[in-house]
Amino acid sequence: SAVISQKPSRDICQRGTSLTIQCQVDSQVTMMFWYRQQPGQSLTLIATANQGSEATYESGFVIDKFPISRPNLTFSTLTVSNMSPEDSSIYLCSVDPQSNYGYTFGSGTRLTVV
Amino acid sequence: AQSVAQPEDQVNVAEGNPLTVKCTYSVSGNPYLFWYVQYPNRGLQFLLKYITGDNLVKGSYGFEAEFNKSQTSFHLKKPSALVSDSALYFCAVRDRGAAGNKLTFGGGTRVLVKP
Repeated sequence: SAVISQKPSRDICQRGTSLTIQCQVDSQVTMMFWYRQQPGQSLTLIATANQGSEATYESGFVIDKFPISRPNLTFSTLTVSNMSPEDSSIYLCSVDPQSNYGYTFGSGTRLTVV
Repeated sequence: AQSVAQPEDQVNVAEGNPLTVKCTYSVSGNPYLFWYVQYPNRGLQFLLKYITGDNLVKGSYGFEAEFNKSQTSFHLKKPSALVSDSALYFCAVRDRGAAGNKLTFGGGTRVLVKP
């Protein structure tokens, strides 16, 4: 199965600042997904990132708040902009390697905004 | 839209006893169903998936799940639970997102296995 390296693993940030999260995959994948897991909650898809095109955002999420880059088939970044305490969550990237192992997830970034 | 529901927020079981984590689904067409486990401070780990074929799916770490079309269920099971199985378990279904397929998750079930 694909292996995803996600960083940082955690961060504590001041409100009003931005944080960029990186995901590196060990194989080429068409689509990469970014999820948010709020405290005590399930996972919600933020957006889908295809290489060479703008990310597609799910209802309730906007590019100005969560800009995404996808410069090649193995890498993507998610930025959480102008952060507030409500952005405190775990952010996870995911890929569908089209294998028998299902969608693969990064280890997550635990963000705390103070 | 496709959806899954996990009716139990928490399941407590003694070590060595059978473990069942419940999941029901609501889909149009044939469901693609998944189970994931999340350990503290870790990402999601894939356990197993059902696409087509045998209704009993065997996965990682001794887990299995039974697809039941008449009851629209996909319960996760383990014959003999271990303390190390204590974690958060998510059922998921492949759904149609804004850009194609995505996973839609249930609310999660916390499993506590007591020695």
